[in-house]
Amino acid sequence: KAGVTQTPRYLIKTRGQQVTLSCSPISGHRSVSWYQQTPGQGLQFLFEYFSETQRNKGNFPGRFSGRQFSNSRSEMNVSTLELGDSALYLCASSLAFDQPQHFGDGTRLSIL
Amino acid sequence: AQTVTQSQPEMSVQEAETVTLSCTYDTSESDYYLFWYKQPPSRQMILVIRQEAYKQQNATENRFSVNFQKAAKSFSLKISDSQLGDAAMYFCAYRVTGRRALTFGSGTRLQVQP
Repeated sequence: KAGVTQTPRYLIKTRGQQVTLSCSPISGHRSVSWYQQTPGQGLQFLFEYFSETQRNKGNFPGRFSGRQFSNSRSEMNVSTLELGDSALYLCASSLAFDQPQHFGDGTRLSIL
Repeated sequence: AQTVTQSQPEMSVQEAETVTLSCTYDTSESDYYLFWYKQPPSRQMILVIRQEAYKQQNATENRFSVNFQKAAKSFSLKISDSQLGDAAMYFCAYRVTGRRALTFGSGTRLQVQP
C-alpha cells in the first residue's frame, strides 16, 4: 500500500508570492492533517480535514489555508509568503479517530 | 493549553546499550493518547510507539518500551539493544481523544556510537 505522498519535495519561492502544496493520503484514509516544522518553533499543527471539511485549525494567520477534495487529497495554500514561512510542511493521514497518523516525507519550502 | 516538554536536546548511546528519552506533558484532559515518533534525516516522521492514557500497562514494541506515569504526567521511551539505525530525532507527542491535532515536544536528537 502506498504511503502518504507529498508534492513537491522542494520548493523555492520569493517573498510576496503564493504557494500550493499537495498531499495524497494513504488509500482509504479520509483524514488529512498538516503540520509546519521549523527549527525555532518546532512542529506545529496547521489544520485538519475530514470528508472535505476543515475540522480543526491551529494558531496560524489567515494566509494559511487548505482544502480537501472528494478523493481525500488535500492541498494547502500560503499567500503573501514571508521569510518566516520557510519550513518543512508535513502532511499526515489517518483512517479513524483512534488510529495513528501516518506522515509523508514533507515539502521543504524555502523563501528567498 | 496542552504542552509537551522534552528536556534532553541530545542524547548519545553506545551500540547494543540501552537509552531512555524523557518526556513530560501538561494537560487537564483525562482521555488522551501519547506517542513517540522518530524522524531520521530522510524527514519522514515514523510512529515508534503509542500509549492510551486509560491503559495502565506500559506499551512495548520490540526493542522500544515506555514508562507511562499518568499522575506524574511523564512518558519516557526506553530503547534496548540500540542499533545504528536508531539514530534520529525523537519526538514525544500528545493528542486528546476525539481530536487529531498532535502537540509535539521539541525533540531529542539521539546519536548511536558504534
